[in-house]
Amino acid sequence: DTGVSQNPRHKITKRGQNVTFRCDPISEHNRLYWYRQTLGQGPEFLTYFQNEAQLEKSRLLSDRFSAERPKGSFSTLEIQRTEQGDSAMYLCASSRTSPLSYTFGSGTRLTVV
Amino acid sequence: GENVEQHPSTLSVQEGDSAVIKCTYSDSASNYFPWYKQELGKGPQLIIDIRSNVGEKKDQRIAVTLNKTAKHFSLHITETQPEDSAVYFCAANFGNEKLTFGTGTRLTIIP
Repeated sequence: DTGVSQNPRHKITKRGQNVTFRCDPISEHNRLYWYRQTLGQGPEFLTYFQNEAQLEKSRLLSDRFSAERPKGSFSTLEIQRTEQGDSAMYLCASSRTSPLSYTFGSGTRLTVV
Repeated sequence: GENVEQHPSTLSVQEGDSAVIKCTYSDSASNYFPWYKQELGKGPQLIIDIRSNVGEKKDQRIAVTLNKTAKHFSLHITETQPEDSAVYFCAANFGNEKLTFGTGTRLTIIP
C-alpha cells in the first residue's frame, strides 16, 4: 500500500445532483474517518468507522449525507441534492487500532455550481 | 466546548531562521496533540505529535512543546528551508476518536 486513496480527485456538479466519493484506506487500518475542509479552514470531522460500524457522526452531517463502509475496507460518502454550501475538500483518513495517528488521503475537491 | 485556536495565521521567515506556531485548547481532558503540514492540492501530512504525558518531543529540525497547565502547545521549526513552506495545522482530541483542528498557519520561507 502506498497510502490512502481517494477518487475522484475533483468533481464539479450542478446544484441538486447527487455525488459519491470513494476512499480506499491503508489495508491494515481498521479505522476510517471522513473530514471536510473549506478554503482557509482546518479539516472538520464528519464521521468515522471502526471496521464496518459507523460509530460517530457530526452534526455537520445532515440528512443529505450518508457514508458506508460495507465490508470494513473501502468507504463511500454520498451527498444527495447538493447545495453550493457543500463545495469543499472532502478528506478521508485511516488509522490502525491505536486511534488518532491518522494518514490522510489527498482529498476530493467538490465544486457545486 | 471543543476548541483549538492557532496563531499566527501567516508567518514569513528568512531561510535558516526559526519558526514558531502556537495553539491553545479548551479542554484539559485533551491528551493527544498532532501537527500536520498541508501542501497545495494535497491532504494534511502528520509531521509530529505529542501525548499529554510528555512535555517536549523532537524530530530533527522539528520540535513540539506542551504546557498542560496553560493548555497550549507549540511547533518549532529550526534552520528553515524553502520546502518548509506550507500550511501547518495543529489539532487536539477531546477524549474521543476525532480531532479538532486549528485554522492553520501559512508559513512562507524567504530565500
